Amino acid sequence: DGGITQSPKYLFRKEGQNVTLSCEQNLNHDAMYWYRQDPGQGLRLIYYSQIVNDFQKGDIAEGYSVSREKKESFPLTVTSAQKNPTAFYLCASSIAGLLNEQFFGPGTRLTVL
Amino acid sequence: GIQVEQSPPDLILQEGANSTLRCNFSDSVNNLQWFHQNPWGQLINLFYIPSGTKQNGRLSATTVATERYSLLYISSSQTTDSGVYFCAVEEGYNQGGKLIFGQGTELSVKP
Repeated sequence: DGGITQSPKYLFRKEGQNVTLSCEQNLNHDAMYWYRQDPGQGLRLIYYSQIVNDFQKGDIAEGYSVSREKKESFPLTVTSAQKNPTAFYLCASSIAGLLNEQFFGPGTRLTVL
Repeated sequence: GIQVEQSPPDLILQEGANSTLRCNFSDSVNNLQWFHQNPWGQLINLFYIPSGTKQNGRLSATTVATERYSLLYISSSQTTDSGVYFCAVEEGYNQGGKLIFGQGTELSVKP
């Protein structure tokens, strides 16, 4: 089955702890993205990567970090510097370049206690 | 940056009714997508439609890029159509494919 997987589905962490969210795709897409969704809101871009070993900050990158060591994987770390980390996190991928449709994973709900 | 506005914010329909959802954007765009977010949070791709008209079953969409708006039509609505509908646009060139999302239209279809 081709698609995008995210794990875990639900994640609970204590305040002050770093946590890493997984995103894997087997669509052979070059570009990958991380978005954050707060209740009743649209999605906002955290980080994106168009090619392995390269990534750029999105609109709300503060308190987050990413890596892109493999084409299939784009993990997101929510650090203790992120002031309001409780949210729904969605990963997406697309063929790199212009005019390409993005596809989304099922998301991870992070709750920081 | 580009602004994306969706209307109405909420919509309640009786099963079988038709509806039109609107997405306005403030600048020219390269890409426009419509998504349906189901109750479990999954974003389902409905249309990739930077311009023109497309149809898929009971759903159709039209984007008039020169006038900076897109419309999503839902005909003969079913309870499974309930959820939040998002419009998202990609602005300009060399933006890395970033999508800017509207706030969504929350649709509730009653049996």
